[in-house]
Order: sequence, then C-alpha cells, then structure tokens
Amino acid sequence: GAGVSQSPRYKVAKRGQDVALRCDPISGHVSLFWYQQALGQGPEFLTYFQNEAQLDKSGLPSDRFFAERPEGSVSTLKIQRTQQEDSAVYLCASSDSGTSLKTQYFGPGTRLLVL
Amino acid sequence: AQSVTQLGSHVSVSEGALVLLRCNYSSSVPPYLFWYVQYPNQGLQLLLKYTTGATLVKGINGFEAEFKKSETSFHLTKPSAHMSDAAEYFCAVSDGSARQLTFGSGTQLTVLP
Repeated sequence: GAGVSQSPRYKVAKRGQDVALRCDPISGHVSLFWYQQALGQGPEFLTYFQNEAQLDKSGLPSDRFFAERPEGSVSTLKIQRTQQEDSAVYLCASSDSGTSLKTQYFGPGTRLLVL
Repeated sequence: AQSVTQLGSHVSVSEGALVLLRCNYSSSVPPYLFWYVQYPNQGLQLLLKYTTGATLVKGINGFEAEFKKSETSFHLTKPSAHMSDAAEYFCAVSDGSARQLTFGSGTQLTVLP
C-alpha cells in the first residue's frame, strides 16, 4: 500500500506568517510522530500521537508550534508567527504500534523556508 | 536521557571497498538501536534494528551492524560498497518504553568509482 505522504513538499513563508503542514500516515497505523530536521543535522523529536491522543509534546520548541490528529488518522503540524529559525525539514512517521520497537515509517518531509 | 554520536560526518570509500560507519550511544537503560538511510529528497528508510537477542544484526542491501555493550557501539558495515549506497546514514537510539527516537547527526557516504 501507499507509504506516508506529506504536503506540501516545499513551503516558503514570510516571517510572521502561519503555516500548516499535513501528514497522511499509512492506513491503520496507530502511532504518528513529527520530527524536525535542521540542515546538516539528524531529525529531532517534536511530538507523538497514539490514535487521536497527543501523548508526548515535549519536543515542541515553543508555544508557536501546535499539532493535532483529530480523527486518529491525518495529522497537521501548525506553526504560528514563523521565525527564520523554524526553517527546516519537517518529517512525519507512523508505526502500527505504540512502542518504538515497531518500525517507524517516514514520509518524504516538508521543507520549510522562512524568509 | 539518551544520545548518539556518529564519528565522521563524511565518509568516502571506493566502489567495492569495505563500508564502516561508526555509531556510539549513551543510554542509562538497555538501548534499542537503529540505522536509517536517507536518499536525497526522500524520507528515512530503516536499514536494520537491534532490540534484544543476537548482537549481530543483518539488514537490507547487505548491511549489518554489531551491538557491543562494552564499547557502547553499534557500527554499520558492508563488505563491498556499491554506487547506489551513496546516501546519508543515521544511527538512532530508543529505550523501548519511550516512543521517540534520538538520532545522531548523520554520516554522508560517498562512493567513488
């Protein structure tokens, strides 16, 4: 079946604009993760959902970042009042279990550039 | 808290030569360890993972890694490099109870003809 998809693939925003990034996980996957990957760095954890419940948001860098998964499937990561330091690739991953023992399948990412 | 250190942000090997990518981890509990590969403009793909049991783990595309607790290492190897192996490789750790992965900063592998 289809893998994890993300949209848009590229987003350019002016500083101060709000952006919304979408993630479509693999059908039936219970767990969904968001990671932020700065240029030349490894991905860093942002937040985790199990079904519609956001169980861990410890990695969200500020209250400008907000994520939701209202029906336990599609998820949206919203960044309000974007800043230049928000420029990064935002990766979404899903797995069919609530533990990291199960493989996390990653989407291609959304590359955000804030000017 | 956990952390991962990947030694060498860039590694170059000749086609047909041994590939060795180094990963050391820090964890206060028994770790679960992963290697992912990332091709340009693509998401991360799992190469292999260690959870429990046999310390030598075989993955896709001929890669393998050995968990060495005494050295806190999980180095990735492949006996003979192929041009298609050129990509960025990430080592990651989890404690199993946490859902998140902690990644290293990555190693860019270049394969020379």
